[in-house]
Amino acid sequence: DTGVSQDPRHKITKRGQNVTFRCDPISEHNRLYWYRQTLGQGPEFLTYFQNEAQLEKSRLLSDRFSAERPKGSFSTLEIQRTEQGDSAMYLCASRPDRGSGNTIYFGEGSWLTVV
Amino acid sequence: KNEVEQSPQNLTAQEGEFITINCSYSVGISALHWLQQHPGGGIVSLFMLSSGKKKHGRLIATINIQEKHSSLHITASHPRDSAVYICAVTIQGAQKLVFGQGTRLTINP
Repeated sequence: DTGVSQDPRHKITKRGQNVTFRCDPISEHNRLYWYRQTLGQGPEFLTYFQNEAQLEKSRLLSDRFSAERPKGSFSTLEIQRTEQGDSAMYLCASRPDRGSGNTIYFGEGSWLTVV
Repeated sequence: KNEVEQSPQNLTAQEGEFITINCSYSVGISALHWLQQHPGGGIVSLFMLSSGKKKHGRLIATINIQEKHSSLHITASHPRDSAVYICAVTIQGAQKLVFGQGTRLTINP
């Protein structure tokens, strides 16, 4: 399967702990996005990478959140000192450059529960 | 007010019915996407359109740029069509997608 893959799919953590999610986009997709989705809501934009450059970052991304895409391939999203309000599904998506269909592809999401 | 509004929020219908889900947006866009999300999270892109109409199987998507409105139609609906359908837009000059809240569709046999 060469789709967008995310790991782990589910994570339960205690408040105050750090968590890290990984996203492997479709190879050769240079655009990568992180979104957060809570129950009953549509996804909310967190951040966007073009290759290794983080070009856009939402105000939702507090200083406890950091995302990286060091080699322009996989990306990580780290949440430090987790809070119960961080419980959500974290979605990764990738898409090719314009002129290559531009369809966006989503991963299955990483569910975070902070207890 | 959200930049992308969908209606209805919930829709229950009988198998075979013709389904329409509406999406209105208030910003300039470069593209509009219709997405399908099944329980468990996975999101699949159904359509990306910037004008006119697209058809794929029993699904039809239309967009009216002047009115800032799009519709997703499902003909001959089937219980396997039960899912959340999400409208999202790519804002002009930006890269991120802005999502509607989704429409939960349930098709009963």
